[in-house]
Amino acid sequence: DAKTTQPNSMESNEEEPVHLPCNHSTISGTDYIHWYRQLPSQGPEYVIHGLTSNVNNRMASLAIAEDRKSSTLILHRATLRDAAVYYCILRDPNPYNTDKLIFGTGTRLQVFP
Amino acid sequence: EAGVAQSPRYKIIEKRQSVAFWCNPISGHATLYWYQQILGQGPKLLIQFQNNGVVDDSQLPKDRFSAERLKGVDSTLKIQPAKLEDSAVYLCASSLTGLSNNEQYFGPGTRLTVT
Repeated sequence: DAKTTQPNSMESNEEEPVHLPCNHSTISGTDYIHWYRQLPSQGPEYVIHGLTSNVNNRMASLAIAEDRKSSTLILHRATLRDAAVYYCILRDPNPYNTDKLIFGTGTRLQVFP
Repeated sequence: EAGVAQSPRYKIIEKRQSVAFWCNPISGHATLYWYQQILGQGPKLLIQFQNNGVVDDSQLPKDRFSAERLKGVDSTLKIQPAKLEDSAVYLCASSLTGLSNNEQYFGPGTRLTVT
């Protein structure tokens, strides 16, 4: 399974944009890039995913490098509720492969008022 | 829409005792997962069910862990006997199908402490 590398921790002030980087230099041509986050004392929750093009949803934006070896999750205006551990995960869409999520240690985001 | 339900939320047992966790996935979700999350680490898949069949149990310590999903709906995960290193949060998740771009929905987890 292709691996991802993320910083252990990041900090932000409330209402400022946050850019969470992820390196995945061994990504295959068919791997999707998924982001999940885990709020304190909760299970992980889906944030966003993409393949090649940048993606936007109500929670965040995902910017994918042209060579797909890195990506950035963008929170446009951080709130205190965004304080969580963010996981960048590669997923192979091959239906004959297990679709388990392989979590790393993620990036712990702290948001200050 | 109701989320993934898990019980109990917390459990403290002594080593060598047995314990069971219960999970009720989102209605209509065919795929159910059990993950183990040790403090400071990301979750690790223990077992994946597609309906009532096992898809992946390669990371399940089968000498002490067992899981079942008899009617293809709710599931139980059992540890017998427990060891100190089993102290962790046990997360249940479900998805609509087993396709890899399906979003997985997680329950709140059961925090197990083995003393």
